[in-house]
Amino acid sequence: SQTIHQWPATLVQPVGSPLSLECTVEGTSNPNLYWYRQAAGRGLQLLFYSVGIGQISSEVPQNLSASRPQDRQFILSSKKLLLSDSGFYLCAWNRGQGIGGEAFFGQGTRLTVV
Amino acid sequence: GENVEQHPSTLSVQEGDSAVIKCTYSDSASNYFPWYKQELGKRPQLIIDIRSNVGEKKDQRIAVTLNKTAKHFSLHITETQPEDSAVYFCAATELSGGYQKVTFGTGTKLQVIP
Repeated sequence: SQTIHQWPATLVQPVGSPLSLECTVEGTSNPNLYWYRQAAGRGLQLLFYSVGIGQISSEVPQNLSASRPQDRQFILSSKKLLLSDSGFYLCAWNRGQGIGGEAFFGQGTRLTVV
Repeated sequence: GENVEQHPSTLSVQEGDSAVIKCTYSDSASNYFPWYKQELGKRPQLIIDIRSNVGEKKDQRIAVTLNKTAKHFSLHITETQPEDSAVYFCAATELSGGYQKVTFGTGTKLQVIP
């Protein structure tokens, strides 16, 4: 069966510090991978999606970047965090081929920038 | 690109009553419409989905309807219970350039009052 791992679960970082959140998927190959951010009480904002190794598409301009060094690994990074980067970050995957299918989410990372 | 609108943003119902959440989408190429439930502090999880070749689908107290012509779909929860309280997200998935792209609605916070 497929599983998705996302870590850390919570993170408190000072303004200006770097960020690295990691997400890995097991039990499938060539998945589509997504990073979402959810501000308190708000919806899911798509930040990045990837259809393959090294292929990253950005949905909104921001202080963040993403990388996919391996087929089932997706990393969200920042060189210098801003207060506005605080939020709940979710990694997700769905099957890369065929008609639409369920998206599976990681447990999320609650990031607080202080 | 796809644009998904979701209404209402908040919904309060008495236990035992029905709840209806509505979504519209813009891209006729979207062919898969899942609904996710997100409990406080947890990851979104799929509760029901519908494909573009089906008009209605039911799973116990939950049903989803799809009107392709009007580009709208709805979630119906009957006999609501306190454990139905959560944020619900609709989504539209389109197959674009060989990969799937998921666009979420802004979410509906459902409160079931005992």
